[in-house]
Amino acid sequence: GAVVSQHPSRVICKSGTSVKIECRSLDFQATTMFWYRQFPKQSLMLMATSNEGSKATYEQGVEKDKFLINHASLTLSTLTVTSAHPEDSSFYICSATRTGTGGSDGYTFGSGTRLTVV
Amino acid sequence: KQEVTQIPAALSVPEGENLVLNCSFTDSAIYNLQWFRQDPGKGLTSLLLIQSSQREQTSGRLNASLDKSSGRSTLYIAASQPGDSATYLCAVGDDYKLSFGAGTTVTVRA
Repeated sequence: GAVVSQHPSRVICKSGTSVKIECRSLDFQATTMFWYRQFPKQSLMLMATSNEGSKATYEQGVEKDKFLINHASLTLSTLTVTSAHPEDSSFYICSATRTGTGGSDGYTFGSGTRLTVV
Repeated sequence: KQEVTQIPAALSVPEGENLVLNCSFTDSAIYNLQWFRQDPGKGLTSLLLIQSSQREQTSGRLNASLDKSSGRSTLYIAASQPGDSATYLCAVGDDYKLSFGAGTTVTVRA
């Protein structure tokens, strides 16, 4: 089955520094990848959608200069949280799909990254 | 804008009981509907994927139905076990992305 690997699983960084999170599709080519943020005891909030080789499409209210998304290949997307602050502390999860509509496999999710900014 | 609602928000049952989790959505023009399980602090595990042309999907003790015209899906879990304790999320695929419900947190008591 489709597998998505997300690293790191946990990261602690100092306020003002940048953090990069990787999302890889291991056994399929992902034309579309998604980045979500999840607050405690809440559901997933879509941050942005990225298609390989294109600029990411950000949801309303998400700062594209703060959350940089790169989808340079069909198997790798990265999310960089720039100049991180304590309010950026959260659980970030990526998702990947072969086609934009989910296709026969649906959407596969990574294991998430717990970011803590101190 | 697609709105997805899951009822109930939380559910506690004794081991062995059947679970019924409900999901409703406002826009029936969907590609598919997917049920996920999330354990605390973990990512999402896909349970069942139902395409818009399908009425139901089954996997082991899990069965999910889809009634697109009424905007509803139900996830049934037979003979619940303590290991089924988790949050179950319903997600609707449309407009080239997934819209999530808030989830149902299930506790199965031994």
